[in-house]
Amino acid sequence: EAQVTQNPRYLITVTGKKLTVTCSQNMNHEYMSWYRQDPGLGLRQIYYSMNVEVTDKGDVPEGYKVSRKEKRNFPLILESPSPNQTSLYFCASSFAINNEQFFGPGTRLTVL
Amino acid sequence: QQQVKQSPQSLIVQKGGISIINCAYENTAFDYFPWYQQFPGKGPALLIAIRPDVSEKKEGRFTISFNKSAKQFSLHIMDSQPGDSATYFCAASREVWSSNTGKLIFGQGTTLQVKP
Repeated sequence: EAQVTQNPRYLITVTGKKLTVTCSQNMNHEYMSWYRQDPGLGLRQIYYSMNVEVTDKGDVPEGYKVSRKEKRNFPLILESPSPNQTSLYFCASSFAINNEQFFGPGTRLTVL
Repeated sequence: QQQVKQSPQSLIVQKGGISIINCAYENTAFDYFPWYQQFPGKGPALLIAIRPDVSEKKEGRFTISFNKSAKQFSLHIMDSQPGDSATYFCAASREVWSSNTGKLIFGQGTTLQVKP
């Protein structure tokens, strides 16, 4: 089944404790992206990658890191999480920026 | 320049009515305008998309109307059904070859409730 998977789905952590949210797709997509969703603000792009080893900042990259060492995986790293990073996070992938993006099921993160 | 403004924030429509959601953008270089639908607890999914070479695109009960001069586009849901109750997001982006960027800008979202 073609899909984007994210892990974990739910995470409660404390300020400053490094964490990684994994994202994997099995559709051989070149484009992958991370978004955060907050009430009233919609979906905001954190980072995106147009291919292996090619990543770039979205609109809200501060406090986040990404890497794209393999085509299928695009992990999101929070080196020192803070409460303002409490949010619902989505990973997405597509063949190209202007093609249908397939979203993962989301990761709800709470930083205390 | 990069913003996409979406309205209304929430919408309540009776079954069988027409739901209309509007989006406005500033960057005239945008050339791809998708709409995504999100049900509670799920990730967004592409509903319908348009490129600026056409003024309207229809897929079933869903229609995108595009006004290039006004820099606005809207989603019309005809004969709205309770199953259409969801959050809808508009978005805009540019082709990579014209911008060397992969940013996709989303609107703030509209929560639609269709009453039986």
